Amino acid sequence: AQSVAQPEDQVNVAEGNPLTVKCTYSVSGNPYLFWYVQYPNRGLQFLLKYITGDNLVKGSYGFEAEFNKSQTSFHLKKPSALVSDSALYFCAVRGPTGTASKLTFGTGTRLQVTL
Amino acid sequence: EPEVTQTPSHQVTQMGQEVILRCVPISNHLYFYWYRQILGQKVEFLVSFYNNEISEKSEIFDDQFSVERPDGSNFTLKIRSTKLEDSAMYFCASSPRGQGTEAFFGQGTRLTVV
Repeated sequence: AQSVAQPEDQVNVAEGNPLTVKCTYSVSGNPYLFWYVQYPNRGLQFLLKYITGDNLVKGSYGFEAEFNKSQTSFHLKKPSALVSDSALYFCAVRGPTGTASKLTFGTGTRLQVTL
Repeated sequence: EPEVTQTPSHQVTQMGQEVILRCVPISNHLYFYWYRQILGQKVEFLVSFYNNEISEKSEIFDDQFSVERPDGSNFTLKIRSTKLEDSAMYFCASSPRGQGTEAFFGQGTRLTVV
């Protein structure tokens, strides 16, 4: 069975500082990895994905993520955080089997960016 | 930009009543999903739907739940006899293709069972 772990319930960072939100995964075969963001009382918005190729993927709003196969990690990063980045971030994995395969989400990490 | 739309945004129902949550996926998408999120908790998979049939369902998706694509645009989730523990935010999602593509989520329906 596939699974995702987000070890931090909350990450606090000052505006302008770099941020990292951690994610590790477990899946059979090659993973398809995703990051989503959720603002209060809103749905999930897609940020970026890793399917294959370059281990560093770039996404929306200046976010990027680094895929590390040996560590089975897919950490979300941003060089300079903004207060408006404060939200709930979910890492998700989709297994290679089954064409309609489900996304399995982590428990989410709340990012708090302060002035 | 095309988006997944869900109605209603908030539904309050009495325990034991039937509810139908409605979704209009993005028009050229082929894969449809329902997820739920109990307040403050993780997003849980309920069911996936492709080619007019269920592809996969979780253990949460028991006989009280059903899905339907009654026409070319709508995708519904029915809960036959609601329980207090069904209170959650329900998200519909769709994908244009399978595994390698992201799913696009609607804004959700907050279901409150009283």
